[in-house]
Amino acid sequence: NAGVMQNPRHLVRRRGQEARLRCSPMKGHSHVYWYRQLPEEGLKFMVYLQKENIIDESGMPKERFSAEFPKEGPSILRIQQVVRGDSAAYFCASSPGRGIAYNEQFFGPGTRLTVL
Amino acid sequence: GENVEQHPSTLSVQEGDSAVIKCTYSDSASNYFPWYKQELGKRPQLIIDIRSNVGEKKDQRIAVTLNKTAKHFSLHITETQPEDSAVYFCAAPKDSGYALNFGKGTSLLVTP
Repeated sequence: NAGVMQNPRHLVRRRGQEARLRCSPMKGHSHVYWYRQLPEEGLKFMVYLQKENIIDESGMPKERFSAEFPKEGPSILRIQQVVRGDSAAYFCASSPGRGIAYNEQFFGPGTRLTVL
Repeated sequence: GENVEQHPSTLSVQEGDSAVIKCTYSDSASNYFPWYKQELGKRPQLIIDIRSNVGEKKDQRIAVTLNKTAKHFSLHITETQPEDSAVYFCAAPKDSGYALNFGKGTSLLVTP
Protein backbone atom coordinates (compact mmCIF):
# COMPACT_ATOMS: atom_id res chain seq x y z
CA ASN A 1 0.00 0.00 0.00
CA ALA A 2 1.78 3.08 -1.23
CA GLY A 3 1.84 6.02 1.15
CA VAL A 4 0.95 9.59 0.39
CA MET A 5 2.72 10.71 -2.77
CA GLN A 6 3.75 14.25 -3.58
CA ASN A 7 5.43 15.71 -6.60
CA PRO A 8 7.59 17.39 -7.40
CA ARG A 9 9.83 16.93 -4.38
CA HIS A 10 11.70 20.12 -5.17
CA LEU A 11 10.43 23.07 -7.17
CA VAL A 12 12.26 26.25 -8.07
CA ARG A 13 10.34 29.22 -9.38
CA ARG A 14 11.15 32.83 -10.12
CA ARG A 15 9.06 35.59 -8.61
CA GLY A 16 5.82 36.01 -10.52
CA GLN A 17 5.67 32.46 -11.84
CA GLU A 18 3.12 29.84 -10.92
CA ALA A 19 3.77 26.84 -8.69
CA ARG A 20 1.65 23.72 -8.96
CA LEU A 21 2.02 21.06 -6.27
CA ARG A 22 0.42 17.62 -6.50
CA CYS A 23 -0.66 15.15 -3.87
CA SER A 24 -2.03 11.63 -4.23
CA PRO A 25 -3.55 10.34 -0.98
CA MET A 26 -3.08 6.88 0.40
CA LYS A 27 -5.26 4.22 -1.15
CA GLY A 28 -8.65 4.26 0.52
CA HIS A 29 -8.24 7.76 1.92
CA SER A 30 -10.78 10.36 0.88
CA HIS A 31 -9.66 13.35 2.97
CA VAL A 32 -6.69 15.53 2.00
CA TYR A 33 -4.98 18.29 3.96
CA TRP A 34 -2.29 20.76 2.98
CA TYR A 35 0.16 22.23 5.49
CA ARG A 36 3.00 24.71 5.10
CA GLN A 37 6.23 24.55 7.07
CA LEU A 38 8.66 27.45 7.09
CA PRO A 39 12.32 26.70 7.95
CA GLU A 40 12.67 25.65 11.58
CA GLU A 41 9.00 26.29 12.27
CA GLY A 42 5.92 24.21 12.87
CA LEU A 43 3.23 23.01 10.52
CA LYS A 44 0.53 25.49 9.61
CA PHE A 45 -2.81 24.27 8.34
CA MET A 46 -3.81 25.64 4.95
CA VAL A 47 -6.76 23.73 3.51
CA TYR A 48 -8.82 20.56 3.98
CA LEU A 49 -10.53 18.91 1.04
CA GLN A 50 -12.66 15.92 0.21
CA LYS A 51 -13.33 14.74 -3.31
CA GLU A 52 -14.63 17.70 -5.34
CA ASN A 53 -15.20 19.77 -2.17
CA ILE A 54 -13.22 22.30 -0.17
CA ILE A 55 -14.23 21.74 3.44
CA ASP A 56 -12.05 24.30 5.23
CA GLU A 57 -9.73 26.81 3.58
CA SER A 58 -9.40 29.13 6.54
CA GLY A 59 -5.61 28.73 6.66
CA MET A 60 -4.99 29.56 3.05
CA PRO A 61 -4.22 33.13 1.93
CA LYS A 62 -7.19 34.59 0.07
CA GLU A 63 -5.12 35.76 -2.86
CA ARG A 64 -2.85 33.76 -5.17
CA PHE A 65 -3.49 30.42 -3.46
CA SER A 66 -6.05 27.84 -4.53
CA ALA A 67 -6.60 24.13 -4.03
CA GLU A 68 -8.66 21.41 -5.59
CA PHE A 69 -9.26 17.70 -5.23
CA PRO A 70 -11.03 16.53 -8.38
CA LYS A 71 -13.05 13.39 -8.79
CA GLU A 72 -10.19 11.83 -10.72
CA GLY A 73 -6.53 12.53 -10.14
CA PRO A 74 -4.43 14.11 -7.43
CA SER A 75 -5.13 17.08 -5.23
CA ILE A 76 -3.47 20.25 -6.53
CA LEU A 77 -2.22 23.24 -4.55
CA ARG A 78 -1.68 26.15 -6.87
CA ILE A 79 0.24 29.30 -6.05
CA GLN A 80 0.05 32.09 -8.59
CA GLN A 81 2.57 34.91 -8.94
CA VAL A 82 4.90 33.45 -6.33
CA VAL A 83 6.88 35.72 -4.02
CA ARG A 84 10.00 34.95 -1.97
CA GLY A 85 7.88 34.57 1.16
CA ASP A 86 6.19 31.55 -0.41
CA SER A 87 9.44 29.59 -0.10
CA ALA A 88 8.66 26.73 2.27
CA ALA A 89 8.01 23.03 2.49
CA TYR A 90 4.44 22.15 1.58
CA PHE A 91 3.17 18.91 3.05
CA CYS A 92 0.09 17.01 2.08
CA ALA A 93 -1.58 14.55 4.43
CA SER A 94 -4.50 12.18 4.01
CA SER A 95 -6.88 10.36 6.32
CA PRO A 96 -9.46 7.61 5.73
CA GLY A 97 -12.51 9.71 6.63
CA ARG A 98 -14.31 6.70 8.06
CA GLY A 99 -13.74 3.77 10.39
CA ILE A 100 -11.98 3.67 13.74
CA ALA A 101 -8.96 5.58 12.45
CA TYR A 102 -11.08 8.01 10.46
CA ASN A 103 -8.99 11.07 11.28
CA GLU A 104 -5.46 9.63 11.50
CA GLN A 105 -3.37 11.71 9.15
CA PHE A 106 -0.37 10.39 7.25
CA PHE A 107 1.99 12.78 5.56
CA GLY A 108 3.63 12.79 2.18
CA PRO A 109 7.34 13.59 1.70
CA GLY A 110 6.61 17.25 0.97
CA THR A 111 7.42 19.64 -1.84
CA ARG A 112 10.19 22.10 -1.12
CA LEU A 113 9.44 25.30 -2.99
CA THR A 114 12.19 27.82 -3.54
CA VAL A 115 11.34 31.19 -5.03
CA LEU A 116 14.27 33.05 -6.52
CA GLY B 1 -9.75 28.45 16.69
CA GLU B 2 -7.83 25.85 18.59
CA ASN B 3 -4.56 26.91 20.19
CA VAL B 4 -1.96 24.29 20.94
CA GLU B 5 0.92 25.27 23.19
CA GLN B 6 3.96 22.99 23.38
CA HIS B 7 6.86 22.96 25.85
CA PRO B 8 9.79 22.85 25.98
CA SER B 9 11.00 24.08 22.61
CA THR B 10 14.32 22.26 23.04
CA LEU B 11 15.22 19.30 25.21
CA SER B 12 18.57 17.63 25.68
CA VAL B 13 18.88 14.33 27.54
CA GLN B 14 21.50 11.66 28.06
CA GLU B 15 21.00 8.33 26.38
CA GLY B 16 18.93 6.09 28.63
CA ASP B 17 17.16 8.95 30.39
CA SER B 18 13.47 9.77 29.95
CA ALA B 19 12.09 12.70 27.98
CA VAL B 20 8.75 14.40 28.54
CA ILE B 21 7.07 16.90 26.24
CA LYS B 22 3.89 18.70 27.24
CA CYS B 23 1.07 20.31 25.29
CA THR B 24 -2.04 22.23 26.22
CA TYR B 25 -5.12 22.87 24.15
CA SER B 26 -8.00 25.29 24.46
CA ASP B 27 -11.09 23.59 22.99
CA SER B 28 -12.68 21.30 25.55
CA ALA B 29 -14.54 19.49 22.75
CA SER B 30 -11.27 18.23 21.23
CA ASN B 31 -11.19 14.43 21.20
CA TYR B 32 -8.05 13.36 19.35
CA PHE B 33 -4.40 14.11 20.12
CA PRO B 34 -1.64 12.79 17.84
CA TRP B 35 2.11 13.09 18.16
CA TYR B 36 4.44 13.33 15.19
CA LYS B 37 8.20 12.86 14.88
CA GLN B 38 10.05 14.74 12.16
CA GLU B 39 13.67 14.08 11.33
CA LEU B 40 15.65 16.69 9.45
CA GLY B 41 14.44 17.01 5.88
CA LYS B 42 11.86 14.26 6.28
CA ARG B 43 8.10 14.03 6.54
CA PRO B 44 6.28 14.16 9.91
CA GLN B 45 5.56 10.61 11.05
CA LEU B 46 2.70 9.67 13.31
CA ILE B 47 4.22 7.88 16.31
CA ILE B 48 1.31 7.64 18.73
CA ASP B 49 -2.10 9.15 19.30
CA ILE B 50 -4.74 9.17 21.99
CA ARG B 51 -8.47 9.71 21.94
CA SER B 52 -10.40 11.42 24.69
CA ASN B 53 -12.04 8.24 25.96
CA VAL B 54 -8.76 7.03 27.52
CA GLY B 55 -6.26 8.62 29.86
CA GLU B 56 -3.09 6.85 28.78
CA LYS B 57 -1.73 4.85 25.88
CA LYS B 58 1.59 3.08 25.60
CA ASP B 59 3.58 1.64 22.72
CA GLN B 60 6.92 0.14 23.75
CA ARG B 61 9.11 3.06 24.92
CA ILE B 62 6.57 5.72 24.03
CA ALA B 63 3.52 6.71 26.06
CA VAL B 64 1.01 9.50 25.92
CA THR B 65 -1.14 10.74 28.80
CA LEU B 66 -4.22 12.91 28.59
CA ASN B 67 -5.78 15.10 31.29
CA LYS B 68 -9.09 16.34 29.90
CA THR B 69 -9.91 18.43 32.95
CA ALA B 70 -6.69 20.39 32.72
CA LYS B 71 -6.71 20.22 28.90
CA HIS B 72 -3.19 18.98 28.55
CA PHE B 73 -1.47 15.91 27.16
CA SER B 74 2.10 14.71 27.31
CA LEU B 75 4.52 12.49 25.41
CA HIS B 76 6.84 10.30 27.43
CA ILE B 77 9.85 8.57 25.91
CA THR B 78 11.71 6.17 28.18
CA GLU B 79 15.20 4.71 27.73
CA THR B 80 15.99 7.29 25.09
CA GLN B 81 18.35 6.43 22.25
CA PRO B 82 20.31 8.70 19.88
CA GLU B 83 17.90 7.78 17.07
CA ASP B 84 15.11 9.40 19.08
CA SER B 85 16.73 12.75 18.28
CA ALA B 86 14.25 14.69 16.14
CA VAL B 87 11.59 17.39 16.34
CA TYR B 88 8.36 16.25 17.96
CA PHE B 89 5.03 17.92 17.30
CA CYS B 90 1.78 17.58 19.19
CA ALA B 91 -1.55 18.41 17.57
CA ALA B 92 -5.24 18.78 18.29
CA PRO B 93 -8.27 19.01 16.00
CA LYS B 94 -8.94 22.42 14.52
CA ASP B 95 -12.42 23.60 15.48
CA SER B 96 -13.08 20.02 16.67
CA GLY B 97 -13.02 18.90 13.06
CA TYR B 98 -10.66 16.81 10.98
CA ALA B 99 -7.83 19.26 10.25
CA LEU B 100 -5.10 19.67 12.86
CA ASN B 101 -3.50 22.57 14.66
CA PHE B 102 0.09 21.80 15.59
CA GLY B 103 2.27 22.90 18.43
CA LYS B 104 5.49 24.68 17.53
CA GLY B 105 7.59 21.59 18.09
CA THR B 106 10.20 20.31 20.52
CA SER B 107 13.70 19.66 19.30
CA LEU B 108 14.93 16.61 21.22
CA LEU B 109 18.62 15.79 21.33
CA VAL B 110 19.73 12.51 22.86
CA THR B 111 23.45 12.45 23.52
CA PRO B 112 25.37 9.15 23.85
